[in-house]
Amino acid sequence: NAGVTQTPKFQVLKTGQSMTLQCAQDMNHNSMYWYRQDPGMGLRLIYYSASEGTTDKGEVPNGYNVSRLNKREFSLRLESAAPSQTSVYFCASRVGQPNTEAFFGQGTRLTVV
Amino acid sequence: TQLLEQSPQFLSIQEGENLTVYCNSSSVFSSLQWYRQEPGEGPVLLVTVVTGGEVKKLKRLTFQFGDARKDSSLHITAAQPGDTGLYLCAGHKAAGNKLTFGGGTRVLVKP
Repeated sequence: NAGVTQTPKFQVLKTGQSMTLQCAQDMNHNSMYWYRQDPGMGLRLIYYSASEGTTDKGEVPNGYNVSRLNKREFSLRLESAAPSQTSVYFCASRVGQPNTEAFFGQGTRLTVV
Repeated sequence: TQLLEQSPQFLSIQEGENLTVYCNSSSVFSSLQWYRQEPGEGPVLLVTVVTGGEVKKLKRLTFQFGDARKDSSLHITAAQPGDTGLYLCAGHKAAGNKLTFGGGTRVLVKP
């Protein structure tokens, strides 16, 4: 059971470079999320997709774009990376019904130098 | 400022002691969830509380949802080193499918 798979696990970028973080889930979930977690902190919502074909901004969307490619995949793009985007990024998915459990990937540790 | 405020941010206690973590908001939520996160891993769900005033128990962990559905607490009785981790509350509102997390409480239980 793969659950939620994120790639890559680690990445170092130079300021101004772009990259896409990939996320795929095999649980047939409707809703998918991208969060960032800074050291010792909680999770801040970047973007989410309540269902295939929809995306909405979260608390900290600036500097990011997302694509809900299909029901399984939800990607996060950094167009021009900045040191302030150094963080651990988590993708999550859930059924989409109220009050259901969110399942998380293992995270992508991104460093922007 | 996060929509969900957790306190304290950090708690260090001896094995066998009790502890309580709080999650507060000025907003009403249709449900609140508690997750625990280990280093290098994603958060894992502990419990979901849905009804105002609801109390749920999970072995030595007791979760309570406030009557007004704006706050929640997590109480651990006789803490053990295995309880060490980052505890996160998360709120879900009735409209939309947004899931918002609090800032987390880091718990360290010393043997």
